[in-house]
Formats: sequence, C-alpha cells, structure tokens
Amino acid sequence: DAEITQSPRHKITETGRQVTLACHQTWNHNNMFWYRQDLGHGLRLIHYSYGVQDTNKGEVSDGYSVSRSNTEDLPLTLESAASSQTSVYFCASSESYPGRRDTQYFGPGTRLTVL
Amino acid sequence: GESVGLHLPTLSVQEGDNSIINCAYSNSASDYFIWYKQESGKGPQFIIDIRSNMDKRQGQRVTVLLNKTVKHLSLQIAATQPGDSAVYFCAESSPYGNNRLAFGKGNQVVVIP
Repeated sequence: DAEITQSPRHKITETGRQVTLACHQTWNHNNMFWYRQDLGHGLRLIHYSYGVQDTNKGEVSDGYSVSRSNTEDLPLTLESAASSQTSVYFCASSESYPGRRDTQYFGPGTRLTVL
Repeated sequence: GESVGLHLPTLSVQEGDNSIINCAYSNSASDYFIWYKQESGKGPQFIIDIRSNMDKRQGQRVTVLLNKTVKHLSLQIAATQPGDSAVYFCAESSPYGNNRLAFGKGNQVVVIP
C-alpha cells in the first residue's frame, strides 16, 4: 500500500548541530509539506514543494531548509538547531489537479528535542 | 508520542452518545474543508472533507455540516466509541492558497466508557 513515512521517529540533538529529518512518500504525489506542531499553535507550515526542484517558504521557515530532488522525498534540514525548534514535525503530501485541491495525507511525525 | 498536548478545548462524551465538534473559519474565500483526527502518538488522519458547493456530507458514522453564511463547520460523530477519543481539527483551503491548508487548533474529545 502507498504510504508516507518519516525518520527518525525520535531525535535528540544539541544546540548548533545540523539535523535532517527524512520524509518519503510512495503515492507519487506532486505536493509535499513540512509542518511543526506545538502546544497552543496547532500545525504551522515550514516549507512546501509542488514538484521536483520546487521549494517554497511557509509561515515559520527561518532556520529550516528543504530540497526536492525527486518526487518521493522532501528532507527537512535544520541548519543550526536551536532550543526553539524542539517540536513535533509532520510531513504531508497531496495530489494536485487542475482547478481543484486535494486532501493532504500525513506521516507519523518526528519528535525532535534540541538540548 | 507525537500529539498536540493537553491545553485544548475538551469535549467529554459518554460512549454511545453523539458528538458534535465545531470549527469557525475565517477566510470567506475558502471553498474546501477537511476534518482530521489525531490520536496520541500519531499523525493527523483524514476523516471527511466537503466542498463549498455542499452543505452536508456523510461518511461512516460521521457527518460534516458547512454553513458558509456564518463561516462555520461542524463534525458530528454518531454513537461515539472509545476509539474516537482523539484531537479533532478542521482545515480550510481557498483557490488562492496554492494547495495549502490552514488548520484550526483542535478540540480534544474524551469518550467516557
């Protein structure tokens, strides 16, 4: 069955280190998204991509970057981890059709702790 | 596990009763709406969606109602079960949002056996 996976599921790192979170989907969806979820804020969009070589900044993109070299993967990199980036990170994907939008499907999440 | 947390509006429901979860959206241009369920330690899971050309849509034990006049969305769960205990949140999308969704903060539903 098609799915979306994230790795690692849990990560502890130190301030200043570079961290990369992986997201892999097998639906062949064009659209992929990264969110963070924190108490009191709900889901906030970090970065998103509409296809290979396409990346866009979301509402909380500072300190994060993404790259899209193929359809299946959208890794999220924290250039220099900060304690404020301690959060739960979710990846999602959706198909795109001309003239309509489609449901986003989410991965299981990665809990990141920055010490 | 991965979850939203404890400081959300909470609806306590007796097992077997019906649940109603409400959501107010802000963008009058939004024309596509989704309800998600998030269980403790898991990612958000699609429940049901509705487009703005409809007022009501039914799924298995769930019904979504859309009132565009007052920008209000509700999710009704029939015969609530312990497995329905989760955080529920709505999401909206507009033709100008480039396939992005705006999410509400969520409501915690606790089913009392």
